[in-house]
Amino acid sequence: AQRVTQPEKLLSVFKGAPVELKCNYSYSGSPELFWYVQYSRQRLQLLLRHISRESIKGFTADLNKGETSFHLKKPFAQEEDSAMYYCALRRGSGTYKYIFGTGTRLKVLA
Amino acid sequence: DVKVTQSSRYLVKRTGEKVFLECVQDMDHENMFWYRQDPGLGLRLIYFSYDVKMKEKGDIPEGYSVSREKKERFSLILESASTNQTSMYLCASSLGSVGDTQYFGPGTRLTVL
Repeated sequence: AQRVTQPEKLLSVFKGAPVELKCNYSYSGSPELFWYVQYSRQRLQLLLRHISRESIKGFTADLNKGETSFHLKKPFAQEEDSAMYYCALRRGSGTYKYIFGTGTRLKVLA
Repeated sequence: DVKVTQSSRYLVKRTGEKVFLECVQDMDHENMFWYRQDPGLGLRLIYFSYDVKMKEKGDIPEGYSVSREKKERFSLILESASTNQTSMYLCASSLGSVGDTQYFGPGTRLTVL
């Protein structure tokens, strides 16, 4: 079955500390994976996607097919990174339907 | 800049009422989606539309229907609202291409009493 798992509901780190938000997926084909972010009182928006191999706001995520993971990382957390983060998987090449994980709330403490 | 708007930010309805949630996008996107967002459950897809008058069921379509008569507008209908449909409802649209991005509306918080 296709599944996206985010094991942590809440992650608290101090400002300047490294951050890793975990995402594991279950999918038989070639996955397309995304991270979406929702800041307080703002709409959900794309943070990054694996096919672009980009770094946005200092965040990176590498697709590890062997471990079926797509963890989101940032070397030095900032207070403005506090938000809800969702990992998402696109369900195959012939569809634009997605599966979202349950989300991880990141709190960056001063 | 893509804009996805939803007709209401907050809505309070009574059990058994018929409820309409409207979503409009202004970027000529092919795909439109309705999700509900619940704490601890994340986003769950209710319905998806890939063209005018075309729709597909998502993971939790029971109790909902949709309508897409025009490309820019996608409506979610609760035929007979129930208390377990109290939730945040998010609309999204996407262009429809490899690696496409979903653009989300601000959400409608529906409370069914």
